[in-house]
Amino acid sequence: DAEITQSPRHKITETGRQVTLACHQTWNHNNMFWYRQDLGHGLRLIHYSYGVQDTNKGEVSDGYSVSRSNTEDLPLTLESAASSQTSVYFCASSPWGPGELFFGEGSRLTVL
Amino acid sequence: AQTVTQSQPEMSVQEAETVTLSCTYDTSESDYYLFWYKQPPSRQMILVIRQEAYKQQNATENRFSVNFQKAAKSFSLKISDSQLGDAAMYFCAYKSPGNQFYFGTGTSLTVIP
Repeated sequence: DAEITQSPRHKITETGRQVTLACHQTWNHNNMFWYRQDLGHGLRLIHYSYGVQDTNKGEVSDGYSVSRSNTEDLPLTLESAASSQTSVYFCASSPWGPGELFFGEGSRLTVL
Repeated sequence: AQTVTQSQPEMSVQEAETVTLSCTYDTSESDYYLFWYKQPPSRQMILVIRQEAYKQQNATENRFSVNFQKAAKSFSLKISDSQLGDAAMYFCAYKSPGNQFYFGTGTSLTVIP
C-alpha cells in the first residue's frame, strides 16, 4: 500500500542546532506540504512543492527551508532551531483535482 | 487568502446521540473541495468525509454526513449515533482550485458514556 512516512517521530534538540525532518511518500503525488500544528492555531502551512525543483513559502516559513530533488521526498530543515519552533510537524501529499491530503504520522520536535 | 472558521473550540455529546460541528469558509471561487478530518489522540489525521462544491447532494459516509450550504459558505458535520471512538479533534479543510489547503482551528469533541 502507498504511504507517507516521516522521521524521526520524536526529536529533542538544542537552540541553534540544525534539524532536518524527513518525509517520504510512495503515492507518486506531485504535491507535497509541510504543516506545523500548535494549540489554538490548527494546521499552518510552512512550505509546499508542486513538483521536482519547485518549492514555495507558506504562511509561517521563516526559519525553515525545503528542497525537492525527486517526487518522493520533501525534507524540512530548520537552519538554526529556536524554542518557538517546538511543535508537531506534519508532512502531507495530494494529487491534483478532488483528492484529499494524505498525512504522515507527525513529528514532535522539542527545542530546548 | 481563503479562511476557514470553526467557531466551536469544544463540543460534547452523549453516547448514541447526534452532534453537529460547524464550519464556515470564505472564498470567491465556485469550484473547490471541502473535507472533514479527524485527529484522535494518536495524532494521525484521518479523512472523515469530502464534498465537491459542484455537487448539490450532501455527502454521507455511514454515521457521518454533511450539510453543505454553498451560498452561505457553510459546511457542517453531523455525527449520528455517537460512539466513544468518535472522541477526537475535528478539522474542517478547504481545497482551492490551485491545490492549496486551508484548515480551521479545530473542534475538540468529547463523547460522554
